[in-house]
Amino acid sequence: DQQVKQNSPSLSVQEGRISILNCDYTNSMFDYFLWYKKYPAEGPTFLISISSIKDKNEDGRFTVFLNKSAKHLSLHIVPSQPGDSAVYFCAASAETSGSRLTFGEGTQLTVNP
Amino acid sequence: EAGVAQSPRYKIIEKRQSVAFWCNPISGHATLYWYQQILGQGPKLLIQFQNNGVVDDSQLPKDRFSAERLKGVDSTLKIQPAKLEDSAVYLCASSTLGWGNYGYTFGSGTRLTVV
Repeated sequence: DQQVKQNSPSLSVQEGRISILNCDYTNSMFDYFLWYKKYPAEGPTFLISISSIKDKNEDGRFTVFLNKSAKHLSLHIVPSQPGDSAVYFCAASAETSGSRLTFGEGTQLTVNP
Repeated sequence: EAGVAQSPRYKIIEKRQSVAFWCNPISGHATLYWYQQILGQGPKLLIQFQNNGVVDDSQLPKDRFSAERLKGVDSTLKIQPAKLEDSAVYLCASSTLGWGNYGYTFGSGTRLTVV
């Protein structure tokens, strides 16, 4: 039962343009969402998060949007830079499950110079 | 602050052998997690400790996997005997009790190959 899904295994964009990574979830108990970035041979690193009481959170070039009715969130990176090339994981947690994070499969973002 | 330390970085073993991974979390982090990441998939929680007690091990294959966190600091994860499908990256992470807006801090992982 895949409760968090990232349907795009890969995404390629040009430097300076917008990158949009998408994530869908099925568990209506999820109330906190996070994005992690992972470089090869490294562990995932926290990028940005959003609570279910908000619909948008912004941190520099990164913005996460949450659409609860559609059970969908997206990560926007503007402008994209070659150093952003990495695997991006969407993750979700539910207060009823403590601090367990449920991850999506990841999207490989490639930003071309 | 020092990050989450894991060793070894890589391990190759034959099926039916045993293997152990070690993790040293960030100092002061009460909660420690072991995740399994199979190639092409997202990380999946195996076990969560709070101090030296188990909080969640519902997804740990207990017939072959075991983990302990003695003295509420370092932790070891063991697989005995290993199967081919155990080939994965094993990630350790730690967090404070209330991890707020920042999630966990992950280590670099141990890549296990079972042949």
